[in-house]
Amino acid sequence: QLVLTQSPSASASLGASVKLTCTLSSGHSTYAIAWHQQQPEKGPRYLMKINTDGSHSKGDGIPDRFSGSSSGAERYLTISSLQSEDEADYYCQTWAPGTRVFGGGTKLTVL
Amino acid sequence: EVQLVESGGGLVRPGGSLTLSCAASGFTFSTYEMNWVRQAPGKGLEWISHISSSDGTTFYADSVKGRFTISRDNAKNSLSLQMNSLRGEDTAVYYCANKAAFEIWGQGTMVTVSS
Repeated sequence: QLVLTQSPSASASLGASVKLTCTLSSGHSTYAIAWHQQQPEKGPRYLMKINTDGSHSKGDGIPDRFSGSSSGAERYLTISSLQSEDEADYYCQTWAPGTRVFGGGTKLTVL
Repeated sequence: EVQLVESGGGLVRPGGSLTLSCAASGFTFSTYEMNWVRQAPGKGLEWISHISSSDGTTFYADSVKGRFTISRDNAKNSLSLQMNSLRGEDTAVYYCANKAAFEIWGQGTMVTVSS
């Protein structure tokens, strides 16, 4: 079964960097994923797609502070030079024939 | 401007029906699969349905299978979700999004199922 696992929460200081992790279930380590940001009281926004080789394609207007990478079954979202507006929920998401799957989301707190 | 705009949400009684719409603009709607995603209050995102661009093949999450129907009108750049036999657990903000990676999202429309 295709499942994405995320830590429920993360925190980092203003101006620092943070790396969020999304883990693909066994047997699905070659799947691409997408990261989405949801700021408080707003709808989700597409950040980027990350392939198994770590290559990624960002959405329009996504700052260079956001980057993606990959290692085995893990897909990462790194946010550098954290700003207050980066405090949000971050969801990873993937797709397979007949289904689309979300991780449970990581709530990022900027200290 | 690339945009998706949902409409049709509201308050409905358990067992009732509602149809949501999603109007697309700024991109070639007919060439992309489209999806519906929902978010219950205080919860995470849940994919519920998608429809292919080519032959209109549809897929549903188990939670809505047999009750919800997704459809599209490529001539009108429009996506719909017919929701029947609504339950309290269907209360959520409903979003439409395009492509398998949900690259464009609408702003959402709230559906409340309550007596």
